[in-house]
Amino acid sequence: AQSVTQLDSHVSVSEGTPVLLRCNYSSSYSPSLFWYVQHPNKGLQLLLKYTSAATLVKGINGFEAEFKKSETSFHLTKPSAHMSDAAEYFCVNYGGSQGNLIFGKGTKLSVKP
Amino acid sequence: NAGVTQTPKFRILKIGQSMTLQCTQDMNHNYMYWYRQDPGMGLKLIYYSVGAGITDKGEVPNGYNVSRSTTEDFPLRLELAAPSQTSVYFCASSRSGELFFGEGSRLTVL
Repeated sequence: AQSVTQLDSHVSVSEGTPVLLRCNYSSSYSPSLFWYVQHPNKGLQLLLKYTSAATLVKGINGFEAEFKKSETSFHLTKPSAHMSDAAEYFCVNYGGSQGNLIFGKGTKLSVKP
Repeated sequence: NAGVTQTPKFRILKIGQSMTLQCTQDMNHNYMYWYRQDPGMGLKLIYYSVGAGITDKGEVPNGYNVSRSTTEDFPLRLELAAPSQTSVYFCASSRSGELFFGEGSRLTVL
């Protein structure tokens, strides 16, 4: 069965410091994994996606994620946080059918000046 | 392109009332979804559709109904509203696994 676990419900960083948002997945076959961002009172927007090509995936706004099969992880990183990165982030596992997109519970990122 | 458009953005209902949340997309996507989002719970799939005339239940379908008469429209109907249906509702369409979301409809049932 497919699942996804976001390991932190809340992460707080200072502006200019690195961001790490952690996501572990389980999948019975090669997964398709996504990170979405949700700013307050907005819908979700795609940051990046992994679909079995390169294991290091680059997304928008300087974010990237590395697919590690041995660790069943797909952590989201950014070298230097910006105030505008403050939002909620969701890791999503595509479970192989259109009705089976599995969302993590989200990680709220706070950025301190 | 407008993308995915949801209406209304806000609504307050009394217990037992009914209403329809409207969703329209102009990207000609076959796949459309309704999710609800509750604090700390992520998104839960209510219903989805793989094309006009085809709908299927998601994880939390009870108390809701959908229809898909056209590719563009995917309305969600709440019958006999209950306080447990207080939530933020998101409509989405997809292409190649990538979801495109509307801005959400905040529903309160009192």
